[in-house]
Amino acid sequence: DAKTTQPTSMDCAEGRAANLPCNHSTISGNEYVYWYRQIHSQGPQYIIHGLKNNETNEMASLIITEDRKSSTLILPHATLRDTAVYYCIVRVAVDSNYQLIWGAGTKLIIKP
Amino acid sequence: NAGVTQTPKFRILKIGQSMTLQCAQDMNHNYMYWYRQDPGMGLKLIYYSVGAGITDKGEVPNGYNVSRSTTEDFPLRLELAAPSQTSVYFCASSYSIGGRTGELFFGEGSRLTVL
Repeated sequence: DAKTTQPTSMDCAEGRAANLPCNHSTISGNEYVYWYRQIHSQGPQYIIHGLKNNETNEMASLIITEDRKSSTLILPHATLRDTAVYYCIVRVAVDSNYQLIWGAGTKLIIKP
Repeated sequence: NAGVTQTPKFRILKIGQSMTLQCAQDMNHNYMYWYRQDPGMGLKLIYYSVGAGITDKGEVPNGYNVSRSTTEDFPLRLELAAPSQTSVYFCASSYSIGGRTGELFFGEGSRLTVL
């Protein structure tokens, strides 16, 4: 079962920051949080990941709360091409390997 | 760069038929994965491989088989297709060095319908 909870859908105006929340209250200390997105029915695309520190790359910023029970993905200047389903995922250890446990994601619609 | 290539993109099967979904990657990644995605849902891991000759079950392996004879190829075999296997199948690959695993690179998906 998914270890994350996300809103089913969100809207954001073009040019504004899109803030996507995620709850992962049962996350363990060594489990990473990953974000991927899926545009239409294409293969998912990696966005960013983090453990406890905030992270930023050319696509987005990831803010993780100090207790690690929730996080927020920030797209600083959303464009119409950012319309997609965004998945917040916890990477768990299974035997000697890792698996990503996917939930249903948030459908983000960017409006002109 | 081709990245991860899946074939076929679409297929309709009759109940009880068998088929193989092909997946190839040209990034020299050691890890490869097969996922399925049902409508409105996230991805479920079927099988994965950490290198040639090594495969392991994911969350939903029943009804599927895999093999990994080369680094590049990771075919997924469906035996005795059932309507419950109607789904979109995604192949992915990633590197892993010294216990550090990189991001997953996905193919464009194979849409399978079993009637």
